[in-house]
Amino acid sequence: GAGVSQSPSNKVTEKGKDVELRCDPISGHTALYWYRQSLGQGLEFLIYFQGNSAPDKSGLPSDRFSAERTGGSVSTLTIQRTQQEDSAVYLCASSLNNRGNEQFFGPGTRLTVL
Amino acid sequence: GENVEQHPSTLSVQEGDSAVIKCTYSDSASNYFPWYKQELGKRPQLIIDIRSNVGEKKDQRIAVTLNKTAKHFSLHITETQPEDSAVYFCAASIRSFQKLVFGTGTRLLVSP
Repeated sequence: GAGVSQSPSNKVTEKGKDVELRCDPISGHTALYWYRQSLGQGLEFLIYFQGNSAPDKSGLPSDRFSAERTGGSVSTLTIQRTQQEDSAVYLCASSLNNRGNEQFFGPGTRLTVL
Repeated sequence: GENVEQHPSTLSVQEGDSAVIKCTYSDSASNYFPWYKQELGKRPQLIIDIRSNVGEKKDQRIAVTLNKTAKHFSLHITETQPEDSAVYFCAASIRSFQKLVFGTGTRLLVSP
């Protein structure tokens, strides 16, 4: 079946602009995660959605970052007033539920803020 | 919060040798420990995981060991091959839900 997909694959924007990154999880997966990976670094947790529960936003680095998950499926990560330090690969993952099932990652969106 | 440390940051071995990557975690309530492999320019993929109710798990050339008392776990790759070259990440789950905290990664290079 189809895996996790993300769009766009690459995004170049100017400092101060807003960007939206999209994630389509695997059908039927109730848990969805966003991570950020800076060049040569590990994966930094951003936000987690599980079913209809309130999302865990504890990893969002500032109030310029927000995310939504509509209808329990597609998720959008929005970064307002982008800064150069926001440049990174943004990875989305989904899992069947939140009980330790494997997280399947998407290909990521490479964001470059000029 | 949870903190995961991973060592070494880089590891070079000859084909056929074994490779060991070690991680420590801080939250004693962590109960799920996956290992991901990320090839250059590709997405991370799960290669093996272990839960806190077992001490060791094997899958062909790959094994993971867990020491709950010491709060550390290790990845062992035997008979390494050039295609094992990648960045490997360990992770640990925080209590109550499966938010993963990742280590900083180990770049493994296997030379023919």
